[in-house]
This record gives sequence, structure tokens and C-alpha cells, in this order.
Amino acid sequence: EDQVTQSPEALRLQEGESSSLNCSYTVSGLRGLFWYRQDPGKGPEFLFTLYSAGEEKEKERLKATLTKKESFLHITAPKPEDSATYLCAVEAGTASKLTFGTGTRLQVTL
Amino acid sequence: NAGVTQTPKFRILKIGQSMTLQCTQDMNHNYMYWYRQDPGMGLKLIYYSVGAGITDKGEVPNGYNVSRSTTEDFPLRLELAAPSQTSVYFCASSFQTGGYGYTFGSGTRLTVV
Repeated sequence: EDQVTQSPEALRLQEGESSSLNCSYTVSGLRGLFWYRQDPGKGPEFLFTLYSAGEEKEKERLKATLTKKESFLHITAPKPEDSATYLCAVEAGTASKLTFGTGTRLQVTL
Repeated sequence: NAGVTQTPKFRILKIGQSMTLQCTQDMNHNYMYWYRQDPGMGLKLIYYSVGAGITDKGEVPNGYNVSRSTTEDFPLRLELAAPSQTSVYFCASSFQTGGYGYTFGSGTRLTVV
């Protein structure tokens, strides 16, 4: 059974204080690792897909990296508008579906 | 381009009542999914479909039914609602698997009392 574990559950940062969110996974045959952002009362919004160990992708202040066991979402000099829950998910084997972690709730204060 | 549209946004049901959550997408996506999201539990897959006429169970299908008669629509049916079905329900669609991100609807918040 595919498993995805995210840490920490919650993270509070001051504006400009860089940090990283972790997503560790146990799957058989990773086809893709996904990062989503979810704002309160809304559906998740797609950010990145990573396919293989060593791959990196960037979008504004976010950078996602992937190893064979985990992924990191690095947030550089965050702003209050980066406050959201960040979800990690995996697609593995022949499955036509994603398995999600429970998310990291990020709060960025002035 | 509306993306994925879910209705209703909110609903309160009494125990034992039934209802259908509607989901429509206008992106001609073959793959569609229903997830439920409970606090601290993450998104759990209820049912999914890889094309019109084809559906399959996810992780938590009990108490739910789906149908997929067209590419655009993927309704979720709740029969005999129970308090355990109180949750936020999200519909999503994808062009195909293998790394394509899902597009999610805005959700339906359901309370069963």
C-alpha cells in the first residue's frame, strides 16, 4: 500500500524566514510526486510534478526537490500570501489515482 | 473555461436521507475522481473513472455510488446518509495519468445530522 507522510503538521514563519516542508513516501514504482497548495474553503491547486530522483522544479518562491525516499518543498523568503496548506501526493504502479499526505499548514506572519 | 464545477457548495442532510453531489468538467478530461477530506486525515479517494462508462472503487467507497454516462459528468450518490459521511467532498479531473496534475473543484461541504 502506498504511503505518504508529511511533516511538520503546521509551520509558522515570519516574512522572509526561509524553511522546508518534508514529504516522505513508500510506494512501489513511483510514476510521479505531486505538490498542491490548498487555501481555506477551496480545492487543491496543482503546483509541481516530479518524476525521478534528483529532479528539481521552481515557481516563484517555491522549489521542490525529489530523492528516492522523500521530497522537499523549499520556501525562500516567504510572504504572507504564501500562507496555505501544502499537500503532497504520489502516483505509483499501474494505479490511475493519487495517494495524498495529510498536508502541512503554513502560516507566514509580518 | 469553467474547469471543474461542483454543486451544491453546502448541504445539510438528515440521517437516512439521500442526495447526489454533482460534478461537471469542460476540459474534455478522461479521468475523474471523487475525494473526501476530513480534518487531519488528508484526501481519501472514494471512486474514480478512467472514461465514460468505466468506474472503479477507491479507498473508501462504502455508502457511495457513482456513474459516468458522459465525459463531462461524474455525479456521486449518497444513499442513506450517516453522520460518518459528514465531510468536504472534492471532485477532480485529469487529462491522463503519468504526471498530469489534477484540476479540483471548489468542494461540497456536507453535514449529516
